[in-house]
Amino acid sequence: ETGVTQSPTHLIKTRGQQVTLRCSSQSGHNTVSWYQQALGQGPQFIFQYYREEENGRGNFPPRFSGLQFPNYSSELNVNALELDDSALYLCASSSGTAQETQYFGPGTRLLVL
Amino acid sequence: QQPVQSPQAVILREGEDAVINCSSSKALYSVHWYRQKHGEAPVFLMILLKGGEQKGHEKISASFNEKKQQSSLYLTASQLSYSGTYFCGTEGPSGSARQLTFGSGTQLTVLP
Repeated sequence: ETGVTQSPTHLIKTRGQQVTLRCSSQSGHNTVSWYQQALGQGPQFIFQYYREEENGRGNFPPRFSGLQFPNYSSELNVNALELDDSALYLCASSSGTAQETQYFGPGTRLLVL
Repeated sequence: QQPVQSPQAVILREGEDAVINCSSSKALYSVHWYRQKHGEAPVFLMILLKGGEQKGHEKISASFNEKKQQSSLYLTASQLSYSGTYFCGTEGPSGSARQLTFGSGTQLTVLP
């Protein structure tokens, strides 16, 4: 059973640019959630995808968007990058059953200059 | 609203015990505990569900008081490997397919 994987591991962008982050869910999981973790803080929920549809969204502006593909992998897109977007971006996958938690990938560290 | 964790930081000697608390202002469906080491992803420790069901690791226990919207994580006979930042993630009140709201963490340091 493969775990959650993310790419790239690190990324440096400049303000105003666009970025795409990728996530492959754990085998058997159909739900992917994305979180932003600023330094010294807990993860903040961005949005969740279930069977290719957005299934909930946190308090993030529309320039944060996503996709989920038929194989349940997912992308997070951020347009018009701002300095405050610098953070660790985590994706987590889950099976959707009530007794199961979600499992995090290693994250993508984004630095916006 | 973000759950409140306490203490913010704790330093232990190997073999000592620790309790980390998580308190929410809203009714909860579940509480999830994770440990994160510097530069790594959060690692699942324990899930506590409304109604009393728990699932997690053998050496770590936790409680969930639904009426008070509080959870506590108990680390007994701590080992050096327990060092890291502990986060509680809450979901509620009727379940939200694991769209968790995390506290700001408790930094645990275990010294030899």
